[in-house]
Amino acid sequence: GAVVSQHPSWVICKSGTSVKIECRSLDFQATTMFWYRQFPKQSLMLMATSNEGSKATYEQGVEKDKFLINHASLTLSTLTVTSAHPEDSSFYICSARRGADSAAFFGQGTRLTVV
Amino acid sequence: TQLLEQSPQFLSIQEGENLTVYCNSSSVFSSLQWYRQEPGEGPVLLVTVVTGGEVKKLKRLTFQFGDARKDSSLHITAAQPGDTGLYLCAGAAGFQKLVFGTGTRLLVSP
Repeated sequence: GAVVSQHPSWVICKSGTSVKIECRSLDFQATTMFWYRQFPKQSLMLMATSNEGSKATYEQGVEKDKFLINHASLTLSTLTVTSAHPEDSSFYICSARRGADSAAFFGQGTRLTVV
Repeated sequence: TQLLEQSPQFLSIQEGENLTVYCNSSSVFSSLQWYRQEPGEGPVLLVTVVTGGEVKKLKRLTFQFGDARKDSSLHITAAQPGDTGLYLCAGAAGFQKLVFGTGTRLLVSP
């Protein structure tokens, strides 16, 4: 099966600092990766679609300058939460699809706590 | 905007009972996936259905894709505590993003 690895699994940072989360597809190339945010006991909310070699496509209401996405290669996408604040504390999850109409495979998620 | 509504939102049952979770939309999807998520982890793919009317079985879980490819159901037979988790359906329309359902939280008590 397809494996998507996300790192770190959890991180605690001080308010005002930036945090980078990595998402890697370990055994397949992913032209497109997706970043989600999940609040407790709720479903996944898509933040942005990350395209290799081009700018990410952000969902309405998601601040581009706050959530920086870079998709430098076919196996790596990164999400940087800049100038983090306590309200950014959440569970962030990435996913990748192998191709059109294929299922998405998810990373294990990153629990971000901003203090 | 494509929306996927799941029902029920929350289900608490005893071990051995049967249950059905529904996933409904007004949009047509080329494929639909079901995932299960446990606290603090990413969703894990259970099944993908592609053809209208398709039925897939995974041990005690039965998945059905509606004839019009707008809805799906998940039926669990003789639920066990290990089935506890958040069940999510997700629809795909070509190479676009997946649209996730609102989620169904299942609790199976011994």
